Amino acid sequence: NAGVTQTPKFRILKIGQSMTLQCTQDMNHNYMYWYRQDPGMGLKLIYYSVGAGITDKGEVPNGYNVSRSTTEDFPLRLELAAPSQTSVYFCASSYVGQGDQPQHFGDGTRLSIL
Amino acid sequence: GENVEQHPSTLSVQEGDSAVIKCTYSDSASNYFPWYKQELGKGPQLIIDIRSNVGEKKDQRIAVTLNKTAKHFSLHITETQPEDSAVYFCAASISGGGFKTIFGAGTRLFVKA
Repeated sequence: NAGVTQTPKFRILKIGQSMTLQCTQDMNHNYMYWYRQDPGMGLKLIYYSVGAGITDKGEVPNGYNVSRSTTEDFPLRLELAAPSQTSVYFCASSYVGQGDQPQHFGDGTRLSIL
Repeated sequence: GENVEQHPSTLSVQEGDSAVIKCTYSDSASNYFPWYKQELGKGPQLIIDIRSNVGEKKDQRIAVTLNKTAKHFSLHITETQPEDSAVYFCAASISGGGFKTIFGAGTRLFVKA
């Protein structure tokens, strides 16, 4: 089991460019999440998905889009990159059933917008 | 809205000493409380969790206590080692609503050899 895999690990973008952060999990988890982590701060939820074809906004969704066409994949799209989107992005997944289970995180994508 | 406060933000201890990190949550419906450890360049990894039907849980050198009345929970690390140095996050969530997990701001723990 690879767990949660994120690509790329690092990326530098120019203002106004677009890119997609990839996330895939092989644990057959129903829930998937995207967070951003700014320096010295906790995790802020951007978007989440409770299953294939279902996505919803988290705390800080502006400037991002997501899709969930399969159970395994949950890509995050930045359409017009802005300096405020410089951050470390984490994808996570969990199985949510009758009781909560912990979230499993990828190792993150460090994104700089210049 | 829901909030999780975590203290201290930075903690420095001598190797072998104990470390305690405290969190307070606001949503009384929260019933699942995981703790994550984040090492440099890595994603957070679960180290221990507790559910609201128990008051304490222990796993070797790590223990977590929960006081539902006061709405706070704590992480205790005994006999600290240099490899315990990392950022620790507490979180609170409502069973069945994984997307309602709220994370604390994190505690950076330094263990001096």
